[in-house]
Amino acid sequence: EAQVTQNPRYLITVTGKKLTVTCSQNMNHEYMSWYRQDPGLGLRQIYYSMNVEVTDKGDVPEGYKVSRKEKRNFPLILESPSPNQTSLYFCASSNGGVNTEAFFGQGTRLTVV
Amino acid sequence: AQSVAQPEDQVNVAEGNPLTVKCTYSVSGNPYLFWYVQYPNRGLQFLLKYITGDNLVKGSYGFEAEFNKSQTSFHLKKPSALVSDSALYFCAVSVTGGYQKVTFGTGTKLQVIP
Repeated sequence: EAQVTQNPRYLITVTGKKLTVTCSQNMNHEYMSWYRQDPGLGLRQIYYSMNVEVTDKGDVPEGYKVSRKEKRNFPLILESPSPNQTSLYFCASSNGGVNTEAFFGQGTRLTVV
Repeated sequence: AQSVAQPEDQVNVAEGNPLTVKCTYSVSGNPYLFWYVQYPNRGLQFLLKYITGDNLVKGSYGFEAEFNKSQTSFHLKKPSALVSDSALYFCAVSVTGGYQKVTFGTGTKLQVIP
C-alpha cells in the first residue's frame, strides 16, 4: 500500500530536549515536505526537499532542521524545542514537485511543555 | 510572494443542497491549484487540481472546482451535499517556474446538516 508514515503519532516533551520526528514514504517520490498545522493559520510549510541532499526552507523554518540522506526518508529535527512549536505536524510527498498532488502522513501531535 | 485566502471559516449547508467553498489566490505567474480534505484525526487527502487546460476540474467524491483567472478564484463545488462531506477543506497554490513552495489556505470547515 502506498503510504507516508510518520512516527511518533503523539509526543509530549520538555523545552530544550532534542527530538526527531521520522517520515518515510514507499512511493519513490522525489519531493517531500514538512508542514505544521495550527488553528486559524492552516498549514504552513516548514522545509521541503526536491531530492536526496537537496533541501530548502519553507515559510516557517526557524527552530527546525531536516535532512534527506535517502530518497524515502525525510526526518524533522527540533534541536531545542520550545512551547511555540507545540503543533500538529504533517509530512507529505509527491512525485514531480509542486504541480502534482501530495500524499500526507497521519500527522504527529507534538506538545512542548 | 504567493498567498491563498479562504474567506469562510465555516460553511453550513443542508444535506442534498449544493455546496460551495471559496478560495482566492495570489501568485506571480501561472498557478497550480489544489483542494484537499481533512477528516478528524487524519492527514489531508487530495481531491482535485488545476494545472492547465479546461477551467472546470472534476475530482473525487463528486467534487468539482472552477478556475477563474480574472477573479483569481478556485471555488470548490458539489451539486448535492452529503453528511459524510462534513470535514475541513484546504485550498493550496504553487506556481510554475521553479519556485517550489506550496502555500495552503487557513481551511474551511464544512458542516452538512441532515
